[in-house]
Amino acid sequence: NAGVTQTPKFQVLKTGQSMTLQCAQDMNHNSMYWYRQDPGMGLRLIYYSASEGTTDKGEVPNGYNVSRLNKREFSLRLESAAPSQTSVYFCASSKQGATGNEQFFGPGTRLTVL
Amino acid sequence: GENVEQHPSTLSVQEGDSAVIKCTYSDSASNYFPWYKQELGKGPQLIIDIRSNVGEKKDQRIAVTLNKTAKHFSLHITETQPEDSAVYFCAALSSGGSYIPTFGRGTSLIVHP
Repeated sequence: NAGVTQTPKFQVLKTGQSMTLQCAQDMNHNSMYWYRQDPGMGLRLIYYSASEGTTDKGEVPNGYNVSRLNKREFSLRLESAAPSQTSVYFCASSKQGATGNEQFFGPGTRLTVL
Repeated sequence: GENVEQHPSTLSVQEGDSAVIKCTYSDSASNYFPWYKQELGKGPQLIIDIRSNVGEKKDQRIAVTLNKTAKHFSLHITETQPEDSAVYFCAALSSGGSYIPTFGRGTSLIVHP
């Protein structure tokens, strides 16, 4: 049982390049989330998916797109990377969208945009 | 929407001392308050949580207290050990439609041997 996995672990991009961050969970969770973590800013929600087939914007969605490929996989795409998107990105999942359910986080992707 | 304030941003203690991290929230509809620990280079992991129908919860050396009237909750770590050094996040969730947690900005706890 791997939990939540993310690829890649590290990535360096040049401004304007595109890339997709991959996330998968093997816990049969309904809900999945993408966060970014910046020093002193805590965890900020980019997008989330309450269930397969649905996605919604979070606090900081600009410059990102997501795809809930199936129940297991939730990808985050940067179409044209900017230096402001340099951050650590975490994917998380939870059993369902109801209050009180623990979120399980992946190990993170450290992205640098030059 | 919900707003969660967390203090202090950095906390330095000696091994064996107690550590207290405090959070306040704004939405009176919030009824679930988890605490996450993030070790260096890893993702956050739930360490303890409390629901609004309980005032205190303990798990070995860690405890969480909740004051609904004042809208604040705290994490208490007793007999701190070097392995407690990490970043701790509080969060609040509302049952009034949104199941998305609002996180505090985190507290970096350093336990000196």
